[in-house]
Amino acid sequence: QKEVEQDPGPLSVPEGAIVSLNCTYSNSAFQYFMWYRQYSRKGPELLMYTYSSGNKEDGRFTAQVDKSSKYISLFIRDSQPSDSATYLCAMSSSVISSGSARQLTFGSGTQLTVLP
Amino acid sequence: GAVVSQHPSWVICKSGTSVKIECRSLDFQATTMFWYRQFPKQSLMLMATSNEGSKATYEQGVEKDKFLINHASLTLSTLTVTSAHPEDSSFYICSAARTGGPYGYTFGSGTRLTVV
Repeated sequence: QKEVEQDPGPLSVPEGAIVSLNCTYSNSAFQYFMWYRQYSRKGPELLMYTYSSGNKEDGRFTAQVDKSSKYISLFIRDSQPSDSATYLCAMSSSVISSGSARQLTFGSGTQLTVLP
Repeated sequence: GAVVSQHPSWVICKSGTSVKIECRSLDFQATTMFWYRQFPKQSLMLMATSNEGSKATYEQGVEKDKFLINHASLTLSTLTVTSAHPEDSSFYICSAARTGGPYGYTFGSGTRLTVV
C-alpha cells in the first residue's frame, strides 16, 4: 500500500463546475499538507500549504485536511480552462526548519481538464 | 516569492556523453535541494536529496555514480548525468526548501533530457 493514494483521473468537467480533488494517506505522522499544480512539461507550482486539520481558502481554491480520517481535499470553485493541469498532493511529517529539510511524499497526481 | 531557476529547460545529447543540469534558488538560500525524475503521466520520483556542503543522499535504486550531485553553495545544486543512455531520457526536476517559515518547497521548471 502506498503511503499516499490519489485518484489519477483523468477528470473532465465543464467550465464553472466545482472540482473536488482528494488524497488519502496512511502515515499518521504527516502534519504538513500541500497541493501543487503542474502544467504539461513544467515543474509543479505550490497552490496551497496547510498545517494539521482544518480549512484554508485562497481565492477559488480551498484546501481541507481531516487528520482523523487521514484525508485531504482541494476544492476549485468556478473552474476555468486555465485550471486544466495535473494536481499533486504532497505531505511531510516535519516543518521546513533550518538545516536539512525532509522530503515530501507525493500522490500520483490527478489530471484535470476543464472544458470551455 | 521564492523562485527556483533550472537550466537548461531541454537538452538533447548523444549516447555516452554527460549532461549537467543546474538548479538555482534566486531569492533565498536553500540548505537542501531535491532532485526528481518524472516519466510521462506519472508522479515525481525522488532521486536524491542534496545538502549544501555534504554528500547527497540517494534513494534506493538510483546509481550515485551515474547521477552526480553537487551542492557547493546555498543557492546552487547541479545534477550531472554521466555516460547518458537513451533510457536516461526523462523529465528531471529540482526543488528547494525555503527555511524559516511555512513556505513549502519550490520547484524548478524542469529539464527535458533526450538521449539519442
